[in-house]
Amino acid sequence: NAGVTQTPKFQVLKTGQSMTLQCAQDMNHEYMSWYRQDPGMGLRLIHYSVGAGITDQGEVPNGYNVSRSTTEDFPLRLLSAAPSQTSVYFCASSETGYYGYTFGSGTRLTVV
Amino acid sequence: KQEVTQIPAALSVPEGENLVLNCSFTDSAIYNLQWFRQDPGKGLTSLLLIQSSQREQTSGRLNASLDKSSGRSTLYIAASQPGDSATYLCAVIGVYGQNFVFGPGTRLSVLP
Repeated sequence: NAGVTQTPKFQVLKTGQSMTLQCAQDMNHEYMSWYRQDPGMGLRLIHYSVGAGITDQGEVPNGYNVSRSTTEDFPLRLLSAAPSQTSVYFCASSETGYYGYTFGSGTRLTVV
Repeated sequence: KQEVTQIPAALSVPEGENLVLNCSFTDSAIYNLQWFRQDPGKGLTSLLLIQSSQREQTSGRLNASLDKSSGRSTLYIAASQPGDSATYLCAVIGVYGQNFVFGPGTRLSVLP
């Protein structure tokens, strides 16, 4: 089925560890983005990309790194995990960035 | 900076009631406004999209209105059902950006 696939679904990290959250879409969408969702705060934009090779920061980029080498994939890297990065992470893609968004099912990350 | 708020934060109603969820945004320079549904542990499902030039959109028992000048949108759910229980998120995209600003959501419980 066409859509946005996020892996893993759940992850527990120790403080200071690094990891990569994977996001892949098969709809040939140029626009991809990462959000984090914390209780009572809605979703906040971490990083986004308007096409392969182009990325930019969102509202809460500190502690995260992204790259976009292909249209399909947009991984999110945690460089040195901190308890404040405990959250649910969502990846989304869109053909234009204005319409037709598809969201992944999320990655629940706990940093201890 | 755009800010989106939603009232109430939580709502519990008996089955069959008509209900209204409220969304407010601070910057009226929006491209569109979208309402999403989020089930526990799941991703986001788009319900309705209202262009900035539109006043309302309808889909089945759902009706969303937009008053851009006052920075408000409402989601009206008619004849609520237990299957409507979920968190409802409001999000806007500004005219100068291709990224969502989300509200914190309204958690709805419809009791049988």
